[in-house]
Amino acid sequence: AQTVTQSQPEMSVQEAETVTLSCTYDTSESDYYLFWYKQPPSRQMILVIRQEAYKQQNATENRFSVNFQKAAKSFSLKISDSQLGDAAMYFCAYRSTDSNYQLIWGAGTKLIIKP
Amino acid sequence: ETGVTQTPRHLVMGMTNKKSLKCEQHLGHNAMYWYKQSAKKPLELMFVYSLEERVENNSVPSRFSPECPNSSHLFLHLHTLQPEDSALYLCASSPTQGTFYGYTFGSGTRLTVV
Repeated sequence: AQTVTQSQPEMSVQEAETVTLSCTYDTSESDYYLFWYKQPPSRQMILVIRQEAYKQQNATENRFSVNFQKAAKSFSLKISDSQLGDAAMYFCAYRSTDSNYQLIWGAGTKLIIKP
Repeated sequence: ETGVTQTPRHLVMGMTNKKSLKCEQHLGHNAMYWYKQSAKKPLELMFVYSLEERVENNSVPSRFSPECPNSSHLFLHLHTLQPEDSALYLCASSPTQGTFYGYTFGSGTRLTVV
């Protein structure tokens, strides 16, 4: 069974600096999807960025980018120029291409932005 | 506007009460999901509906009963809950089952069982 591990329960960063959140996963599959979601205090889970495993190129969305290391089964999220609005819980999730329904979730990392 | 609306936002209920959570989406999605989010735990998938038909039930206790009358509405009926059922209940929808495009979530119902 697949698992997703986020080893950092909490991270803090100074405003305008860069922070990297870690995510590792375990799978025997070769093709799958990976996601980062953000959950601010408003509680709504928002999709930040996604990656298809068969694509070598790391996904980028404005200030958010990933470092996808398939062999190492690592999928870290880099946030550049951190802003106060980035403060939230960040969740990493995995989905098999064979699974129609299940997203496998990490336990989350709380990101604190220091002004 | 999130696209997925959940009501109520907060709910406190006794263990003998019966209540319902409501989820509504007008995004044209045809798959809807109930998740349970407890502190310091990964999200737990409870139920999945596709085209108004239940396709997944992850061994959820029978005190939770889902209902999907149409592709825009999803309910979670609650009865004789336990204090350990206190959690944030999130509803989500997606265009089709298991797409790359991820899910759209509501803001959740914070449930407290006393």
